[in-house]
Amino acid sequence: GAGVSQSPSNKVTEKGKDVELRCDPISGHTALYWYRQRLGQGLEFLIYFQGNSAPDKSGLPSDRFSAERTGESVSTLTIQRTQQEDSAVYLCASTPRDGRNTGELFFGEGSRLTVL
Amino acid sequence: AQRVTQPEKLLSVFKGAPVELKCNYSYSGSPELFWYVQYSRQRLQLLLRHISRESIKGFTADLNKGETSFHLKKPFAQEEDSAMYYCALSGLTDKLIFGTGTRLQVFP
Repeated sequence: GAGVSQSPSNKVTEKGKDVELRCDPISGHTALYWYRQRLGQGLEFLIYFQGNSAPDKSGLPSDRFSAERTGESVSTLTIQRTQQEDSAVYLCASTPRDGRNTGELFFGEGSRLTVL
Repeated sequence: AQRVTQPEKLLSVFKGAPVELKCNYSYSGSPELFWYVQYSRQRLQLLLRHISRESIKGFTADLNKGETSFHLKKPFAQEEDSAMYYCALSGLTDKLIFGTGTRLQVFP
């Protein structure tokens, strides 16, 4: 596809259930980011992938959160035993890496998670 | 620690008025600063970066290291400028840290 694709676009779940969010980056983009945006707040960094490895996962809020990336392509963000405070829009972004951080991240439309 | 502060949640102006969206940062090294914009029902996208020293859609931003600021300015606001604006900082790593955003409303 032409842009970053995220699925599902909307997810409503019950407290305590696990959810999996998917991100398809732009083809050829080696760097991939996950951010969380709670209602009325800014973008909160979660994790960053370079290829399939995650040099920086400092933003993951708890051990209920995990992410992986395979084939230097698709990434999944998994939230176990969801809590109401996990309700947010989860944004994925990708960027090519040419040895210099140009700062231009290409964002998906986000996955809106609502935990009841 | 890297930190970006946008003190205004909402900025409302009339069409043709000057606009300044404030951004202050905290970083011990030499940062790279960016402005991102999100128009209604669109994806978040890069507006401009300080290193390019360019004007995009009439917007400019100057990095002031003494004041640790990177304010976004436009001399004459247009209705189509109404959007959510985020200031972002990148340090030595590839992590991009965003501020909380400022919503700009331009009234006709």
